[in-house]
Amino acid sequence: ETGVTQSPTHLIKTRGQQVTLRCSSQSGHNTVSWYQQALGQGPQFIFQYYREEENGRGNFPPRFSGLQFPNYSSELNVNALELDDSALYLCASSLREAKETQYFGPGTRLLVL
Amino acid sequence: AQTVTQSQPEMSVQEAETVTLSCTYDTSENNYYLFWYKQPPSRQMILVIRQEAYKQQNATENRFSVNFQKAAKSFSLKISDSQLGDTAMYFCAFMKMEGGKLIFGQGTTLQVKP
Repeated sequence: ETGVTQSPTHLIKTRGQQVTLRCSSQSGHNTVSWYQQALGQGPQFIFQYYREEENGRGNFPPRFSGLQFPNYSSELNVNALELDDSALYLCASSLREAKETQYFGPGTRLLVL
Repeated sequence: AQTVTQSQPEMSVQEAETVTLSCTYDTSENNYYLFWYKQPPSRQMILVIRQEAYKQQNATENRFSVNFQKAAKSFSLKISDSQLGDTAMYFCAFMKMEGGKLIFGQGTTLQVKP
């Protein structure tokens, strides 16, 4: 276990809805990254947060947004859900000073119908 | 842009034998990190081994070792004395030295057979 937790574990939504996924970082970690993993594929970087600000973003549209809170926990919000948003969403926490070592949570499996 | 390629979608190995997973990458960076991650069926991604590009010595972690060929941009993972618990999807990943973004390959599903 990495000490990174995510909720919920599974979620079913319909196209056009909005979803919020949550991540609790490992104790002391000040940086959180979010990844999308489609079935049978490698994870794709969505964005990273440090000190409550976005600190790098992958090739994802603006309807993917995030928040980081003072306790370093984080949320991923996706608006106007599309069928292709169905995936496993992973968060990973790290120390800014050792960002190469990322600890992953178990993920949230999102299904969009 | 950096890319990571794993050309073996699936592999299998008998318990106690050795298996090598392949990975190639493309980058114009000189300093970077390379990783192998393991994702068992329970889904949680676990770091197996890490290599810094400026280090010539290949990284080793117990039964896991890498063959890092910087000029060839190749980074293979060798698993010795394979165990049933090694059954998982394995991802090769790249990160710039100054970045925080992991770039993953497509993954290799490894099945260890008793």
